This record gives sequence, C-alpha cells and structure tokens, in this order.
Amino acid sequence: DGGITQSPKYLFRKEGQNVTLSCEQNLNHDAMYWYRQDPGQGLRLIYYSQIVNDFQKGDIAEGYSVSREKKESFPLTVTSAQKNPTAFYLCASTQRGGGDSYEQYFGPGTRLTVT
Amino acid sequence: GENVGLHLPTLSVQEGDNSIINCAYSNSASDYFIWYKQESGKGPQFIIDIRSNMDKRQGQRVTVLLNKTVKHLSLQIAATQPGDSAVYFCAENTGFNKFYFGSGTKLNVKP
Repeated sequence: DGGITQSPKYLFRKEGQNVTLSCEQNLNHDAMYWYRQDPGQGLRLIYYSQIVNDFQKGDIAEGYSVSREKKESFPLTVTSAQKNPTAFYLCASTQRGGGDSYEQYFGPGTRLTVT
Repeated sequence: GENVGLHLPTLSVQEGDNSIINCAYSNSASDYFIWYKQESGKGPQFIIDIRSNMDKRQGQRVTVLLNKTVKHLSLQIAATQPGDSAVYFCAENTGFNKFYFGSGTKLNVKP
C-alpha cells in the first residue's frame, strides 16, 4: 500500500447522505487520483489532481466532489446525487511527470455501502 | 476512456507452471504501461512497468512483453506459486499522468 492511507476501510451510509472518504499520502507526490471499482470490473477514474488547488474530472465524476488544499490530502465526497454509490474506492498518487516511471501507488481502499 | 481490455477473464494454472496474462490496448499514443496485482479487498500493487521504447522488461519471476504493432501487452509469471493467485490489471498512460485500466484477469493457481 506504499505511503498512502485511506480511512475508514469500511463505511456504511444511508441513502441521501453525503459521505467523505479520506486519502493521505506521505510520498511527496504531486498527483493524486480517485478510482471506483465495481465487482468484476476495472478501475474507473473519478477525479484526479495534478497539483495543489487544482483537480480535473475523470470519466465518472458525476455525483462526486473533491478538494486538494494540501499536497498530502485528497478527500473525496460522495454526494446524494451519486445514483449508485456502493463500491470499492481506491486512492492513488504518482510523481508528476517525473523520471522514467509514472508508477502509481495505491491505498488499501474504502468499501462504501449505501442502503 | 481508453479501451484497455483483456483476452481472458479467468486463468487457471498448476503450481510451478508459467502463467501468461494478456492485455490489448487501443491507443497507439500510449507510451507507458503498468501491470498490477490486486488481492481480494486490497488496493492494486505495482508489479512491473514498461515504456513504449522497449519490447521486453524483466523483473523477479515476471516479464512484460510489449508489441506495439498489434497493441498487445503480456505478463509472464515464471514458476507460478499459490501466492500469485490474484486479479491482474494492465494500465496504460498516454501522458498527463492519466491512466486507463483494463477489467482484469483472475489468476487461480492450483496446488
């Protein structure tokens, strides 16, 4: 899991509630990402941030919001507008265009269940 | 998003045999590829990467082959062990630090 922590590991919420997932990294990486993983499927990009105070929508940003006020933190809010929020959420970070490697380090993930 | 797919969703091999997991990508501009291993309930772990200016790269018990002509990537695992059982993903990067992932292949290693 590298130097990326996600909390909590399991999260349960009632439908209609917003919920914020935490992601912290101590790798001094510029870029951070949020992915969603559904059973039997690959990772889909929700949001990513190349640098502090900047972020871009990924392929499935609707119903989600993020902030990047600090380099080490990239929290994801799953809003009530997200129609199918139950999933496994993965946070990752990578060096911004550095060297020959763009290796992404992933956190352990947060499994969100909304009922 | 980019189409990074896999030919086989599940692969079963005998312990000690070699495993080959395949991946097709669609963007010829992709210049960097990664293979990840994901165990159940955990985040993906980096296995090996390769740049588009290479055809082959070897790690410990793993080899990645890249065929840019047919846009195909493969991961070879030598002497597969029970601990290798997991889902394996390939990912491609077309620049701008943005990655696209395939749906994954589940590798089952039979003792």
